[in-house]
Amino acid sequence: DQQVKQNSPSLSVQEGRISILNCDYTNSMFDYFLWYKKYPAEGPTFLISISSIKDKNEDGRFTVFLNKSAKHLSLHIVPSQPGDSAVYFCAASAKEYGNKLVFGAGTILRVKS
Amino acid sequence: DAGVIQSPRHEVTEMGQEVTLRCKPISGHDYLFWYRQTMMRGLELLIYFNNNVPIDDSGMPEDRFSAKMPNASFSTLKIQPSEPRDSAVYFCASSLYRTPQHFGDGTRLSIL
Repeated sequence: DQQVKQNSPSLSVQEGRISILNCDYTNSMFDYFLWYKKYPAEGPTFLISISSIKDKNEDGRFTVFLNKSAKHLSLHIVPSQPGDSAVYFCAASAKEYGNKLVFGAGTILRVKS
Repeated sequence: DAGVIQSPRHEVTEMGQEVTLRCKPISGHDYLFWYRQTMMRGLELLIYFNNNVPIDDSGMPEDRFSAKMPNASFSTLKIQPSEPRDSAVYFCASSLYRTPQHFGDGTRLSIL
């Protein structure tokens, strides 16, 4: 039962353009969402998060949008840079489940120069 | 500040052998997590600890897997006996309550 889904296995974007990575969830109890970036042979690195009381959070080139009614969140990267090429994981948690994170399967982003 | 430190980075061993993976969390973090990443199942949580006490081990695949946290700065994940299907990348992460988890660089385990 996949509670967090990233339906696009990969995405290719031109340098300087916007990258939009999507994530859907099924559990309405999730109230905290995170995005992680992962390079080969390294562990996932925290990128940005959003609480369910907000619908947008911005940090430099990275913005996360949350649509609770649609149970959908997205990560926007503007402008995209070749160094952004990595696997991006969406994760979610709920107070009721303690401190656990549920991860999506990941999306491979390739930024072409 | 040192991040989460895992050892070894790579482990190759033969089926039936005991494997021990080690993790040093970030100082001050009171939650520690063990994950396994495979192509088929993605990143899955095996077990997590709070203040050195196992809280949820529902992700541990079977009795061959065990994890301990004898103190706040050290944890082990042990597989005995190991099987080829245990081959994966194992990550350790640490955090405070409901804050982003910080991951180590993982142990790539190959069971022949």
